[in-house]
Amino acid sequence: DTAVSQTPKYLVTQMGNDKSIKCEQNLGHDTMYWYKQDSKKFLKIMFSYNNKELIINETVPNRFSPKSPDKAHLNLHINSLELGDSAVYFCASSQQGLPNYEQYFGPGTRLTVT
Amino acid sequence: GNSVTQMEGPVTLSEEAFLTINCTYTATGYPSLFWYVQYPGEGLQLLLKATKADDKGSNKGFEATYRKETTSFHLEKGSVQVSDSAVYFCALSIKAAGNKLTFGGGTRVLVKP
Repeated sequence: DTAVSQTPKYLVTQMGNDKSIKCEQNLGHDTMYWYKQDSKKFLKIMFSYNNKELIINETVPNRFSPKSPDKAHLNLHINSLELGDSAVYFCASSQQGLPNYEQYFGPGTRLTVT
Repeated sequence: GNSVTQMEGPVTLSEEAFLTINCTYTATGYPSLFWYVQYPGEGLQLLLKATKADDKGSNKGFEATYRKETTSFHLEKGSVQVSDSAVYFCALSIKAAGNKLTFGGGTRVLVKP
């Protein structure tokens, strides 16, 4: 009964390939996020969706395209992978509108581009 | 823009020592403040939070008080255990900014027996 799950946990691929990371939450939340954690542990927001609508899009290359088929899922597709894309990607979810909302994080997907 | 600054680590302590991790923030508006913890090989877990000035968040022996006058949210624990070894992240969010979390750089804490 994992709250926020991501697949795969590890992803090793070569430069130029296209890959996807999937995220699912069973908390009934209406908002989902993607964060990127670099090798120095620095965390930065990439995208956020609320009820399948994109509400946050930070300065992320166009090669990254999030897709939310429903409010319980937020996938991240990456085209033409580059070495600099190597990082741990975390999905998170929360419920907007609650006074003291909390973001729940998935276990992360470690992407290694060779 | 919004930003969070926290002390760089690593912080190495002996068991039962007192831990303080400093965190200061810059924000437009009235942020909510959080401390998240990341244990080795795991995702982030919320440790504690405070949503308005002078609120004190506490959990698992950790405490942090929202100080608006000094724009700070320092994390403290009176007696650390080996199991507290982790990376600690201070973060803020503002509703007007879509409630995205803005994180500090993280502080690695290593507690030795």
